[in-house]
Amino acid sequence: GDSVTQMEGPVTLSEEAFLTINCTYTATGYPSLFWYVQYPGEGLQLLLKATKADDKGSNKGFEATYRKETTSFHLEKGSVQVSDSAVYFCALSARQTGANNLFFGTGTRLTVIP
Amino acid sequence: AAGVIQSPRHLIKEKRETATLKCYPIPRHDTVYWYQQGPGQDPQFLISFYEKMQSDKGSIPDRFSAQQFSDYHSELNMSSLELGDSALYFCASSPGQARVTDTQYFGPGTRLTVL
Repeated sequence: GDSVTQMEGPVTLSEEAFLTINCTYTATGYPSLFWYVQYPGEGLQLLLKATKADDKGSNKGFEATYRKETTSFHLEKGSVQVSDSAVYFCALSARQTGANNLFFGTGTRLTVIP
Repeated sequence: AAGVIQSPRHLIKEKRETATLKCYPIPRHDTVYWYQQGPGQDPQFLISFYEKMQSDKGSIPDRFSAQQFSDYHSELNMSSLELGDSALYFCASSPGQARVTDTQYFGPGTRLTVL
């Protein structure tokens, strides 16, 4: 079945460090891939998405490239800030019986220290 | 911009009671999804609706039911509540015909605590 495997956390980085959170997926067909972010006490916010192979999603300095050959969608940011501290979820959308449902990874908690 | 609205934001119930959660999608979004996120867990898909019809079903217990109304808002009804139902319940909406490429926009969630 469809699934997402996400790098386990927690991850602690110093401000301005480089961030990579690994995400790989298993899916039939042609899924879309997403990164969602959840700040403390809040809901899920879409961070970026890619809908086909070799697409790059980017937002707020974060990037991820849809790699079909390695079935990956790793999240990267060149210089993290304290305000980036949150839980990051990789997700895929694949059509099932009727609608497209999101399958989430287990989430990676990022803490950025000054 | 308008977002997905969920009510109530917090709900405390006793075991074996019932609860109703409401979701108001973004205007002109006709697809609604419900997810359950247990403590420290990833969100799990429960059920979805498109144009007021159930379109897919995930790991929703038989004690739960849901529907989408003519104004596209949705309600999740939960009966015979158990301690394990304590979780954050998210509603999400998307436009159009629920294509794989569509983004799902999440509401802030309803935190249900069962005592």
